[in-house]
Amino acid sequence: AQSVAQPEDQVNVAEGNPLTVKCTYSVSGNPYLFWYVQYPNRGLQFLLKYITGDNLVKGSYGFEAEFNKSQTSFHLKKPSALVSDSALYFCAVRDERDNYGQNFVFGPGTRLSVLP
Amino acid sequence: DTGVSQNPRHKITKRGQNVTFRCDPISEHNRLYWYRQTLGQGPEFLTYFQNEAQLEKSRLLSDRFSAERPKGSFSTLEIQRTEQGDSAMYLCASSLLGAGPPLHFGNGTRLTVT
Repeated sequence: AQSVAQPEDQVNVAEGNPLTVKCTYSVSGNPYLFWYVQYPNRGLQFLLKYITGDNLVKGSYGFEAEFNKSQTSFHLKKPSALVSDSALYFCAVRDERDNYGQNFVFGPGTRLSVLP
Repeated sequence: DTGVSQNPRHKITKRGQNVTFRCDPISEHNRLYWYRQTLGQGPEFLTYFQNEAQLEKSRLLSDRFSAERPKGSFSTLEIQRTEQGDSAMYLCASSLLGAGPPLHFGNGTRLTVT
């Protein structure tokens, strides 16, 4: 079964500084990896995904993520944080062989606070 | 593409009452999912439809929960005899077929059981 860990409950960063939100995963086959962001009282919004190819994937709002197979990680990054990036971030994984719903597994979330 | 729509946004009910939520997915999406999210947690899978067929249901899902997608378009989630532990955000998502496409979420229905 798949699993996702987000080792930090909370990440604080100053506006303009680079940010990293960490994610590690466990999956039997090849992983498909996703990042989502959630603002208060809203649903999850898709940011980016890794399926295959380049280990560095770029997504919405200047975010990018680096897939590292040997470390089973998929950390989310942004070169310069904005106050408006403050939100809850979720990493998710599914097995490439999976075509069914319950195996799309989300991590517990990391709350990002960008301080002005 | 108008996104995934969920109604109502908020529902307050008394313990023991039945509630029903509606989800309208993105029109070309075959798959529809229901998740539950409690404060500070990630979404927890409840059930999944491909077109009108309910293909998976979480083992954690009580018999009080039932979902339908009668014509393969919108879906409803009903909770019978609500309990305080049912208080949560109920999220609907839809996607295209395959393991690669991302899920697209609605803004959820927040249920409060008093």
